[in-house]
Amino acid sequence: SYELNQRLSVSVALGQTARITCGGNNIGSKNVNWYQQRPGQVPVLVIYSDTSRPSGIPERFSGFNSENTATLTISRAQAGDEADYYCQVWDSRSAVFGGGTKLTVL
Amino acid sequence: EVQLVESGGDLVQPGRSLRLSCTTSGLTFGDYAISWVRQAPGKGLEWVGFIRSEAYGETTEYGASVKGRFTISRDDSKSIAYLQMNSLKTEDTAVYYCTREAPVYCGADCRNDYWGQGTLVNVSS
Repeated sequence: SYELNQRLSVSVALGQTARITCGGNNIGSKNVNWYQQRPGQVPVLVIYSDTSRPSGIPERFSGFNSENTATLTISRAQAGDEADYYCQVWDSRSAVFGGGTKLTVL
Repeated sequence: EVQLVESGGDLVQPGRSLRLSCTTSGLTFGDYAISWVRQAPGKGLEWVGFIRSEAYGETTEYGASVKGRFTISRDDSKSIAYLQMNSLKTEDTAVYYCTREAPVYCGADCRNDYWGQGTLVNVSS
């Protein structure tokens, strides 16, 4: 079965840029979605199809996907960005989530 | 406004069954696939399975950990999706979310754009 690998945690200073990666075999050939889950809340879609932002998601959130790594970039990080972030793809008629990355804003 | 509301979560003994419901509003329910995603306490998200729209025969797919035990169905006349869980195990303990898969008739480009608040299933003796 397909696997997605995420670092357990990433830290970023307030106002700086955070990069959260998602590794998978030839993930560049798949559509990658990213979800943000703040503590105690429901997941929210923040990036879909590698680079697209749903309405209401700030432009500070962007995505890129190539070869074996997809990246979620959060510019000008804010305290409210502190959350767990999950990548997701579809593979052989099933969806797969990465293990999640906890973003801490210092 | 699109809304999904899960219900049916409960404390249940191992080996027993439980059925969850996902009641929706604000969307043309029959056009969309519906997925179930779960999250064990303190853990990450796990895809449970999904059901395609009637246009795709209401066919279903399941994750390996639940295949053969769980069944997803839908009633387009009521805009409700169901998750029938049989032979429950302690490791099935989780918050269960129902989600809408977008866009309409999606395939490899599916994404979960709307989520319910979740319902807790606790499997314990």
